[in-house]
Amino acid sequence: AQRVTQPEKLLSVFKGAPVELKCNYSYSGSPELFWYVQYSRQRLQLLLRHISRESIKGFTADLNKGETSFHLKKPFAQEEDSAMYYCALREGGTASKLTFGTGTRLQVTL
Amino acid sequence: DTGVSQDPRHKITKRGQNVTFRCDPISEHNRLYWYRQTLGQGPEFLTYFQNEAQLEKSRLLSDRFSAERPKGSFSTLEIQRTEQGDSAMYLCASSRNGVTEAFFGQGTRLTVV
Repeated sequence: AQRVTQPEKLLSVFKGAPVELKCNYSYSGSPELFWYVQYSRQRLQLLLRHISRESIKGFTADLNKGETSFHLKKPFAQEEDSAMYYCALREGGTASKLTFGTGTRLQVTL
Repeated sequence: DTGVSQDPRHKITKRGQNVTFRCDPISEHNRLYWYRQTLGQGPEFLTYFQNEAQLEKSRLLSDRFSAERPKGSFSTLEIQRTEQGDSAMYLCASSRNGVTEAFFGQGTRLTVV
């Protein structure tokens, strides 16, 4: 069965410092990987997906099939990046459900 | 707000009572999903519909849980004979099809006392 692991429950960084939120997955096929973000008192929303290969709000994530990882990175953290981040996997083919990790809370301090 | 809408936002019920939640997806989204999220965990898949057909159910969905999506529009999730372990945030999401982005609602927080 597929599994998504986010090893850190909390990541605290200073404003302007680099950020890396870790995500590892286990799945035998070719998955699609996503990062979802939940800001305080807001709904869960898509941040980025690996097939888009784009940068959103300065965040990027590269799918590394060899290491089965999809880490989220940003070179310079901003206060408004403070939120809960969830890595999610969708199986290939016609399946559409998402399997989420347990989430990492990013806290950006001055 | 034209996003996914869930009602109620909060529900407190006594153990053993039945509860029903409603989800209104984004119009024209033919896929609708239910997830459950407990404290410290990510959302866990419960079930999903394509139009009015329920295509997959998780093992998490015990016999006390039932979901419907009549006419392929809104959906309801009913929990019968609630237990304290049912206390969680119940999230609904919708997407245009199986490969596009899923949009989430604000969730219904259930507390069973």
